Amino acid sequence: SQKIEQNSEALNIQEGKTATLTCNYTNYSPAYLQWYRQDPGRGPVFLLLIRENEKEKRKERLKVTFDTTLKQSLFHITASQPADSATYLCALLSGGYNKLIFGAGTRLAVHP
Amino acid sequence: GAVVSQHPSRVICKSGTSVKIECRSLDFQATTMFWYRQFPKQSLMLMATSNEGSKATYEQGVEKDKFLINHASLTLSTLTVTSAHPEDSSFYICSAPESVQETQYFGPGTRLLVL
Repeated sequence: SQKIEQNSEALNIQEGKTATLTCNYTNYSPAYLQWYRQDPGRGPVFLLLIRENEKEKRKERLKVTFDTTLKQSLFHITASQPADSATYLCALLSGGYNKLIFGAGTRLAVHP
Repeated sequence: GAVVSQHPSRVICKSGTSVKIECRSLDFQATTMFWYRQFPKQSLMLMATSNEGSKATYEQGVEKDKFLINHASLTLSTLTVTSAHPEDSSFYICSAPESVQETQYFGPGTRLLVL
């Protein structure tokens, strides 16, 4: 069956360091992969989309890589700040148009 | 960016009653909307795909007679939890796809507590 795993339930890092979050998937051949941020009690907010033919994508302090051979995406936040503390979700297209399946998320805490 | 709203943001009801949650796309039209449920410290679980002008498509294990979905217009989808029970208490979130960028805009969510 199709499965998405985000390998850390929680990640604690020091302010200024780079946070690296991992998303692995099985039994998928997604055309693209997306990353979302979710704050407590709120809906997810879209961050980045990376396509299967793209190795890397950047947006300000965010960087996403996509390795379709390893079936893995890495999400990096450089120069992390306490305001980056949130849960980060990866999502893959599954089946019908725009139907997304989400990983369980990684809860990131950036400490001053 | 596009905005999706949900109403109410929070609702408490008695067991056995029905609760309606609205999802609106405020500045764009959405022929498709999605309904998710999220339990504490868990990920979003897709419940159903709401289709304007036609029946909703439900995910495996989701009871269509319990979770009624109506997509009455291009900007409004409603989810009605019928005969709610305490185990239906959860965070319900809707989303609508942005066709050009293939991303989704999520509503702020509705916290349902069934007593």
